[in-house]
Amino acid sequence: DVKVTQSSRYLVKRTGEKVFLECVQDMDHENMFWYRQDPGLGLRLIYFSYDVKMKEKGDIPEGYSVSREKKERFSLILESASTNQTSMYLCASSASVLESPGNTIYFGEGSWLTVV
Amino acid sequence: GDSVTQMEGPVTLSEEAFLTINCTYTATGYPSLFWYVQYPGEGLQLLLKATKADDKGSNKGFEATYRKETTSFHLEKGSVQVSDSAVYFCALELWLGRLYFGRGTQLTVWP
Repeated sequence: DVKVTQSSRYLVKRTGEKVFLECVQDMDHENMFWYRQDPGLGLRLIYFSYDVKMKEKGDIPEGYSVSREKKERFSLILESASTNQTSMYLCASSASVLESPGNTIYFGEGSWLTVV
Repeated sequence: GDSVTQMEGPVTLSEEAFLTINCTYTATGYPSLFWYVQYPGEGLQLLLKATKADDKGSNKGFEATYRKETTSFHLEKGSVQVSDSAVYFCALELWLGRLYFGRGTQLTVWP
């Protein structure tokens, strides 16, 4: 079974702290994604990556950065956490869509971040 | 732009009732369409998908048909169970694996 593992399920951080959310997948997937999920807003894409050291901005990249030094690992970084970044963060991965359309995207269980 | 609109919830049903959750999309190309489900405290799981017009996706008694003429992908189930209580997300994929999600519909099924 594909597994996408997010390192922390629950975090509480202070305003201004630098926060790292780690994600690892074990299926050799090319694509990796970071979403945030907020009630009534659904999932919004923050950043995604199609290959090692590559990154693309999603719909809401402001206040975030990412790092992909190894194929299996995709990190989300909050440079200076703010209270409006309190949310559920979901990591996901998928195989290259060049192989076939409609590839399943696999999600981690999510990281609940509270910024106080 | 590309987007997904799905029926707002919450939806509350009795066990064995018929379920429909509406989903329509706007896309410039020919998307693949998905329904994902999120059970309490968990991440999203793929429920079903369809990659071209007139395809029907099905899984666990749920079905959805890709209707290009109405740009729709409505989710249906003939007889819901308490265990179906979850949040359901409609999504489309246009290129390079990026998904566009609807806002989600909360379904609660009472015994």
